[in-house]
Amino acid sequence: DAGVIQSPRHEVTEMGQEVTLRCKPISGHDYLFWYRQTMMRGLELLIYFNNNVPIDDSGMPEDRFSAKMPNASFSTLKIQPSEPRDSAVYFCASSLQGPGNTIYFGEGSWLTVV
Amino acid sequence: GDSVTQMEGPVTLSEEAFLTINCTYTATGYPSLFWYVQYPGEGLQLLLKATKADDKGSNKGFEATYRKETTSFHLEKGSVQVSDSAVYFCALSGPSGTASKLTFGTGTRLQVTL
Repeated sequence: DAGVIQSPRHEVTEMGQEVTLRCKPISGHDYLFWYRQTMMRGLELLIYFNNNVPIDDSGMPEDRFSAKMPNASFSTLKIQPSEPRDSAVYFCASSLQGPGNTIYFGEGSWLTVV
Repeated sequence: GDSVTQMEGPVTLSEEAFLTINCTYTATGYPSLFWYVQYPGEGLQLLLKATKADDKGSNKGFEATYRKETTSFHLEKGSVQVSDSAVYFCALSGPSGTASKLTFGTGTRLQVTL
């Protein structure tokens, strides 16, 4: 079975450009999560969706970040404009409904803003 | 709020040595507990989990027991291999009955040498 699929795997962009990261969750999963990983801050939950509806976006750093989930099989995380401090690995993850269910991670999108 | 504390790394061991990585948590209710592993350049993979007190999760020779009385979920392996070199994350989800978002520890890097 296909796991969580993210694209692009690697992106290098210039400061001020728009960046769009994409995610396809595992089919049938009700929850979708976006995490960011940096050396300084570790793993941070940015936002998560339940049945395509954003439930908690308190981890989104600022207005430059936005996330959407137009349907059950697709989500985007957008940064506009990008800044060098946004350089990180961005992980998408998904899980079934309910506590204790395993959250499955994609391989990550490695973003470098120069 | 919920939090996870795990031991600082890096942990450096010789092959076949015994491994313990400590993890303690603070949470309301009865969370589920997880260990994830991240190999270099890859995303996070579930290693093992436990969903209630006194449960023992195990996989690939790794074990961890959910200890409610000490709020701990220490990871152990009797004989490590070079291929176990990775970063290990302790995490919890909960409280029970609500969304399964994960709260991660800061990660512990394990390096196993010949």
